[in-house]
Amino acid sequence: EAGVAQSPRYKIIEKRQSVAFWCNPISGHATLYWYQQILGQGPKLLIQFQNNGVVDDSQLPKDRFSAERLKGVDSTLKIQPAKLEDSAVYLCASSLRGDEAFFGQGTRLTVV
Amino acid sequence: QKEVEQDPGPLSVPEGAIVSLNCTYSNSAFQYFMWYRQYSRKGPELLMYTYSSGNKEDGRFTAQVDKSSKYISLFIRDSQPSDSATYLCAMRDTGGFKTIFGAGTRLFVKA
Repeated sequence: EAGVAQSPRYKIIEKRQSVAFWCNPISGHATLYWYQQILGQGPKLLIQFQNNGVVDDSQLPKDRFSAERLKGVDSTLKIQPAKLEDSAVYLCASSLRGDEAFFGQGTRLTVV
Repeated sequence: QKEVEQDPGPLSVPEGAIVSLNCTYSNSAFQYFMWYRQYSRKGPELLMYTYSSGNKEDGRFTAQVDKSSKYISLFIRDSQPSDSATYLCAMRDTGGFKTIFGAGTRLFVKA
C-alpha cells in the first residue's frame, strides 16, 4: 500500500512570497489533515477535511493560509504572503475513518 | 496550561535499557491515546493506539493509560540504537475530531 505522498520535500522562499504544497493521501482514505510542525514542537492541526468538506479549520490563519481538496482526493495548502514565522515542516496525513492517521514525510519550508 | 505536557528530553540510555516515556494531560474527555515515533526529517509513524484506560503490548512496546491520573506512558524494552527518535504522544476525545500532540521527547539509545 502506497503511503501519503507530499511535494516538494524542501522549499526556501523570501518573506511576502507565496508557496504551495501538494498532498496525495492513501487511496480510499476519506479524512485528510494538514499539520504545521515548528522545530522542537509537536504537530499542530491546521485543517481537516472529510472527503472534500472542511471539518475543522479553527487554527488555520485564514488571512494568509488556504487549503482545498478538490474531488475529495488530492489537497493543496497555500501560504500567501509568507512570514518568517511560517518556517516549519508542513505535514499531510490521512485516515480511513478519522482515527489512526498516517503521515507523509512533510515539506520543510524556510522563509528568509 | 497546555492540554498535553511532554518532557522534551533529551533522554539518553544505553542499549538494552528499559525506556519510560510519559505524558500528562488536562482534558478528562480524552479517550483515544496514541504514540508516534518520528525519525529526523521524517513524518510521524504510529506505534500504539489505545482506547480508555489499561495496558496494550506490541512486541517490545507497552502503552499504559491511567485516566484517573491523566497520565500515559510508553515503555520500550531492550532498547536498540534504531529506537533513537522523537516520541510524540497524542490524544483525542470521543466527540471531537481534533488530535492534540505533545511536544515530543527525543530519545538517544547508545550502542
